[in-house]
Amino acid sequence: NAGVTQTPKFQVLKTGQSMTLQCAQDMNHEYMSWYRQDPGMGLRLIHYSVGAGITDQGEVPNGYNVSRSTTEDFPLRLLSAAPSQTSVYFCASTTGTSGSDTQYFGPGTRLTVL
Amino acid sequence: KQEVTQIPAALSVPEGENLVLNCSFTDSAIYNLQWFRQDPGKGLTSLLLIQSSQREQTSGRLNASLDKSSGRSTLYIAASQPGDSATYLCAVESGANSKLTFGKGITLSVRP
Repeated sequence: NAGVTQTPKFQVLKTGQSMTLQCAQDMNHEYMSWYRQDPGMGLRLIHYSVGAGITDQGEVPNGYNVSRSTTEDFPLRLLSAAPSQTSVYFCASTTGTSGSDTQYFGPGTRLTVL
Repeated sequence: KQEVTQIPAALSVPEGENLVLNCSFTDSAIYNLQWFRQDPGKGLTSLLLIQSSQREQTSGRLNASLDKSSGRSTLYIAASQPGDSATYLCAVESGANSKLTFGKGITLSVRP
């Protein structure tokens, strides 16, 4: 199993550009989520999905869009990049059985918005 | 709203020392508490998961305890090694839909 994979590893954008961060998992997990990690702020939940076709907002959803057309993939879209979105983005997945299963994290995408 | 606190933010110890990392949370209605390790520039690796009905979990030199009523968890690392140097994050799963609330982490440095 590859686990949770994320592409790209690094990305530099100009203000106003759009892009999609890719996330895929091969563990047949129902639950997937996106976090951003900023110095001094810890990890914060952006969006999550409890299964194909179902998504919901987390703590900091503004400026981001998600969709879940398959169990395996959960892309994160930046609609119009802003310098405040400079961060490290992590995708995670789990079986979704609350309380019993650990969450698996991808290696992260380091995004800089100029 | 659940809040998770880890103090201190950084810790430096000599090799071989036994150490305890602390984590506190404000809402005791949790499903589980997880400890993660993060190496510089890398993703998060799960170390231990303690379900709400459990008191502790052990893996090798690591032992994590959970006191739900007081909102506290500790990660005990025995006989620390330079390879243990990393940031250790505590996260609680509470509310619906497997959402995690993270602490800001403790950056540990183990000196040879």
